[in-house]
Amino acid sequence: GAVVSQHPSWVICKSGTSVKIECRSLDFQATTMFWYRQFPKQSLMLMATSNEGSKATYEQGVEKDKFLINHASLTLSTLTVTSAHPEDSSFYICSASDRGGSYGYTFGSGTRLTVV
Amino acid sequence: AQSVTQPDIHITVSEGASLELRCNYSYGATPYLFWYVQSPGQGLQLLLKYFSGDTLVQGIKGFEAEFKRSQSSFNLRKPSVHWSDAAEYFCAVGGTGANNLFFGTGTRLTVIP
Repeated sequence: GAVVSQHPSWVICKSGTSVKIECRSLDFQATTMFWYRQFPKQSLMLMATSNEGSKATYEQGVEKDKFLINHASLTLSTLTVTSAHPEDSSFYICSASDRGGSYGYTFGSGTRLTVV
Repeated sequence: AQSVTQPDIHITVSEGASLELRCNYSYGATPYLFWYVQSPGQGLQLLLKYFSGDTLVQGIKGFEAEFKRSQSSFNLRKPSVHWSDAAEYFCAVGGTGANNLFFGTGTRLTVIP
């Protein structure tokens, strides 16, 4: 159990366009989802925490208008990178947790975003 | 403040040799500790975790880790490394009431034949 699916695995987009990344919990209800970002050869940094049905909580320094997070259902959260620029190129990865706090340590497979 | 330190950026070992990856943490409450492995371009795979109880935890792929509260450490070990173990290893800490994790900067493992 505790499978988190992330899609797409990689995406290339033009500067100025928007990209949507999906994170799904396949076999449990994810009341909370976490979005992380990883720069090349660096560690993972938490970007935001989203709770189903409410607004996401962003970490300091993360632009909420640039990184739109929607968590409208118990199995799906989306991260939209709006007006993407080359500096947004990174590896984005999500994890999900259920109401009891379980599974929060299972990660999706990540999305490699390249903005050209 | 929460933090995780992995002092070794890069480690090279010979196949069949033993391995120890170091991890020290700082956390304001009872820590939950994790080790993940990441192959290039891939997501994170959980190797093992410690929540409570026996301080020596067994994980997948023959890995184990020992929690030492007095040293604030959670070092990862494997008695005999295989070439397929070459990857990036991340130590992370979390706690009750929140399921986001704080990650170390990672240790890249190279295995030579």
